[in-house]
Amino acid sequence: NAGVMQNPRHLVRRRGQEARLRCSPMKGHSHVYWYRQLPEEGLKFMVYLQKENIIDESGMPKERFSAEFPKEGPSILRIQQVVRGDSAAYFCASSRSTRSTNEKLFFGSGTQLSVL
Amino acid sequence: KQEVTQIPAALSVPEGENLVLNCSFTDSAIYNLQWFRQDPGKGLTSLLLIQSSQREQTSGRLNASLDKSSGRSTLYIAASQPGDSATYLCAVLYNQGGKLIFGQGTELSVKP
Repeated sequence: NAGVMQNPRHLVRRRGQEARLRCSPMKGHSHVYWYRQLPEEGLKFMVYLQKENIIDESGMPKERFSAEFPKEGPSILRIQQVVRGDSAAYFCASSRSTRSTNEKLFFGSGTQLSVL
Repeated sequence: KQEVTQIPAALSVPEGENLVLNCSFTDSAIYNLQWFRQDPGKGLTSLLLIQSSQREQTSGRLNASLDKSSGRSTLYIAASQPGDSATYLCAVLYNQGGKLIFGQGTELSVKP
């Protein structure tokens, strides 16, 4: 049973380009979460998605950032017109459900985005 | 504001020592609390999860406690080994929905 798969592991973009980060949750998991870890800062929640629905996007910047989790395929975090301040490690996590207080989140290895 | 604080920020100990990492949170109405390990350049590995109704959880040499009334959790590592060297993160979940509030982490170095 593969864990949470993120790709690419490293992504380099020039200012103004688009970045697409992919996340395949663990088998059987229908809840996906994106977190961002800026240099010298802790992990911050960005968005929570269930299949085809955005449940909580309270941590997403209002502009240039979007996320989706289609019925088929991986979840995508998309950053348009990247700026140097977007350079960070982006982590995806998944869970089977959210109903139990015992439900763990499983994290991927992250995508390190570098904006030149 | 819901905040999670971890002290110390960094800790260096000789191999074999028992050690305690601290985590405090400002809002005691938690859903659960999780301790993670993060190795450089890698993702997070879940170590222990304590539900809001529990007081502690144990796994091998690790023991995590939870005191909601005082807003504190501790991670106890017994007989530390060099392989325990990593950053340890405490994260609090306040409601269903996966929005974990993370502390800044404690960077642990265990010297052989």
